[in-house]
Amino acid sequence: EDQVTQSPEALRLQEGESSSLNCSYTVSGLRGLFWYRQDPGKGPEFLFTLYSAGEEKEKERLKATLTKKESFLHITAPKPEDSATYLCAVQGNSGNTPLVFGKGTRLSVIA
Amino acid sequence: KAGVTQTPRYLIKTRGQQVTLSCSPISGHRSVSWYQQTPGQGLQFLFEYFSETQRNKGNFPGRFSGRQFSNSRSEMNVSTLELGDSALYLCASSLGRFQETQYFGPGTRLLVL
Repeated sequence: EDQVTQSPEALRLQEGESSSLNCSYTVSGLRGLFWYRQDPGKGPEFLFTLYSAGEEKEKERLKATLTKKESFLHITAPKPEDSATYLCAVQGNSGNTPLVFGKGTRLSVIA
Repeated sequence: KAGVTQTPRYLIKTRGQQVTLSCSPISGHRSVSWYQQTPGQGLQFLFEYFSETQRNKGNFPGRFSGRQFSNSRSEMNVSTLELGDSALYLCASSLGRFQETQYFGPGTRLLVL
């Protein structure tokens, strides 16, 4: 059974204090790993898709990396507007498997 | 290009009633997936429809059902509502091919009293 564990559950940063969020996964064969950002009361907003170990993607202050067992979302010099819940999901390559989501990391960036 | 839209955005029902939620995918997307999100369980997969056929189903009771129309719009129905059905119901669309990114709508917040 595919599983995703995100850590920490919550993270509080000062503005400008860089950090990383972790997504550990277990999947028989990885088709894709997805990062989303979710603001309170809204639907998840797509950030990145990673397909193979060693792949990296960047967008503004965010950078996602992937190994065979985990993915990291690095946040460089965060701003208060980066405060949100960050969700990680994996999709296995066994047939039409659905996305399996972690429970997310709730990030608060304090000015 | 317009995003995924969901209606209604908020809904209050009482136990035993039924509810129908609607989702319009991004133009050109043929796959629609539904998820239930609660604080305790996170995002859980309900079902996926592609070209009017259910392609995958999550571990939810038969009270939860869905369908997809020829224009790719989808509806999900929950019958005999229970208090535990209170949640944010999210719809996501994709082109329908493998390794496709799913794009989410704003969700429907359902409160069962």
